[in-house]
Amino acid sequence: EAGVTQFPSHSVIEKGQTVTLRCDPISGHDNLYWYRRVMGKEIKFLLHFVKESKQDESGMPNNRFLAERTGGTYSTLKVQPAELEDSGVYFCASSGQGTSPLHFGNGTRLTVT
Amino acid sequence: AQSVAQPEDQVNVAEGNPLTVKCTYSVSGNPYLFWYVQYPNRGLQFLLKYITGDNLVKGSYGFEAEFNKSQTSFHLKKPSALVSDSALYFCAVRDSTGGFKTIFGAGTRLFVKA
Repeated sequence: EAGVTQFPSHSVIEKGQTVTLRCDPISGHDNLYWYRRVMGKEIKFLLHFVKESKQDESGMPNNRFLAERTGGTYSTLKVQPAELEDSGVYFCASSGQGTSPLHFGNGTRLTVT
Repeated sequence: AQSVAQPEDQVNVAEGNPLTVKCTYSVSGNPYLFWYVQYPNRGLQFLLKYITGDNLVKGSYGFEAEFNKSQTSFHLKKPSALVSDSALYFCAVRDSTGGFKTIFGAGTRLFVKA
């Protein structure tokens, strides 16, 4: 099966600009997650979709971040306007039901200058 | 609230020696526990999980982990380390009563010397 794919792999933008990250989960996985890791820190939970619905968005840092999951398939995470502290690696993961483990994409490395 | 602690930033071990990577957790309900490994420029890969039953669980690449409820720990172990085991290891916990939200530790870098 195809794995979780993320695009782009790297993005360098200036403070104040907008960036959109995309994630394509494993086909059939209802659960989709976004995480962020800042250098050396824990992988921080951002939000969780079940199909097209936001199940838990308690980790979203502020209203500059907007996540969507169109038709319960791929997801996008938009940062607008970007700030310096938004830099980090953004991971997307998907999973099946119950106690299934997460399947991760390779991440998007975002650098805000 | 859920939390995970990995007390060691780095673990160094000689090839052929046993290795242990430590993890402690905190959850309200029963824990579902996971270990993941990350190689450079890649996403995290699932190694093993504890859901219920036998406290010693076996996973990929010869790794195993021991669940200790009284100490709230889930240490990752391998009897004989390989140089190729060098990577970043993450412990994660999901609260059985708290939906599907999985919380990760900060990671431990394992360095295996030949």
